[in-house]
Amino acid sequence: DQQVKQNSPSLSVQEGRISILNCDYTNSMFDYFLWYKKYPAEGPTFLISISSIKDKNEDGRFTVFLNKSAKHLSLHIVPSQPGDSAVYFCAASAIASNDYKLSFGAGTTVTVRA
Amino acid sequence: EAQVTQNPRYLITVTGKKLTVTCSQNMNHEYMSWYRQDPGLGLRQIYYSMNVEVTDKGDVPEGYKVSRKEKRNFPLILESPSPNQTSLYFCASSLSNPTYEQYFGPGTRLTVT
Repeated sequence: DQQVKQNSPSLSVQEGRISILNCDYTNSMFDYFLWYKKYPAEGPTFLISISSIKDKNEDGRFTVFLNKSAKHLSLHIVPSQPGDSAVYFCAASAIASNDYKLSFGAGTTVTVRA
Repeated sequence: EAQVTQNPRYLITVTGKKLTVTCSQNMNHEYMSWYRQDPGLGLRQIYYSMNVEVTDKGDVPEGYKVSRKEKRNFPLILESPSPNQTSLYFCASSLSNPTYEQYFGPGTRLTVT
């Protein structure tokens, strides 16, 4: 049973608008979260991360929000650009528990329309 | 150039024929990991290694073996492949643990008939 869930398999957004990707997790021991982006025929690349001691982390157009009580995080991309069309994976780890596994969600395919 | 390399990139094999997928990184990273990507399931971790001679199971280790005899190499071994191991496999490495940015290889497409 997957402990990290991305319930929206796909998202279509117009260029220049905001993309919001959601991720839910079930393991309350998770304390570090990451987002990876993947283009077809390539390996995933790191996008942004957040520790459970924070509720927001921002890097340029990308912001990740963490709601620990709801076991929910979201990735905001503003403004969306055509190059953002890719599959986005949410991932989580329980580092403070000395558990160095990394659990991924199923991914959300983002399509940015011109 | 900092990179993670995997070989082969494509492999078609038959059930039961042992195979090894190699993975090598040139960044002196301590943490290495193998994942498989399947439609609707995303990426699932098979095994990871915190350092030389230290390996541990991920979420889907059944049917796979790994070894970490040198820091740079982390081969994935399928002793007796089965059709349900048909998948896209990725090797990755990061500085010391998965909270650090992981660098992924280009992937190995494996088909077991």
